[in-house]
Amino acid sequence: KQEVTQIPAALSVPEGENLVLNCSFTDSAIYNLQWFRQDPGKGLTSLLLIQSSQREQTSGRLNASLDKSSGRSTLYIAASQPGDSATYLCAAFMNSGYSTLTFGKGTMLLVSP
Amino acid sequence: DAGVIQSPRHEVTEMGQEVTLRCKPISGHNSLFWYRQTMMRGLELLIYFNNNVPIDDSGMPEDRFSAKMPNASFSTLKIQPSEPRDSAVYFCASSLQQTPTDTQYFGPGTRLTVL
Repeated sequence: KQEVTQIPAALSVPEGENLVLNCSFTDSAIYNLQWFRQDPGKGLTSLLLIQSSQREQTSGRLNASLDKSSGRSTLYIAASQPGDSATYLCAAFMNSGYSTLTFGKGTMLLVSP
Repeated sequence: DAGVIQSPRHEVTEMGQEVTLRCKPISGHNSLFWYRQTMMRGLELLIYFNNNVPIDDSGMPEDRFSAKMPNASFSTLKIQPSEPRDSAVYFCASSLQQTPTDTQYFGPGTRLTVL
């Protein structure tokens, strides 16, 4: 059974700092790896999707990388802003039959002005 | 489009009562997912539907939970009888299809508290 782990569970940084969020998964037979953002009291919003054949994806100040062989993905946020404060979840989509997303528990990020 | 709509947004009930959560997916989406989020277990898939048909309900915790999708624009998740350990945030999500590259769009969730 796929397990997805995110470290750290919480992170607090001053505005302007570059930061990295980590995600690891136990089964490398994934189809893709996705990163989501969750704001308090709201649902999840998809940020980036990396196919298993890709090494990274970029969107604005966000860059996600994927290393299938080591079972790891990272989300890099450049020049963090208070508006980036949210919980970030990664999710793996397995490469088998009817499959769905397996989520990590998330990293709660606080960017202070 | 208004996005995925869930109701109610908050529900407080007493143990033993029946609870019904409702979801309206994005128009044109053919797949619908019900998730539960708790601090302990994170976000877990309960059940999902393709074209109104339940495909995988292996995540439904027990027989007290049931889900229906009578048509393409409406789904319910029912808990009967409810227990305090059912307290969680329940999310509904929809996507065009149930494929790896189709983005899932989440509703705002229903926060359920069972006393």
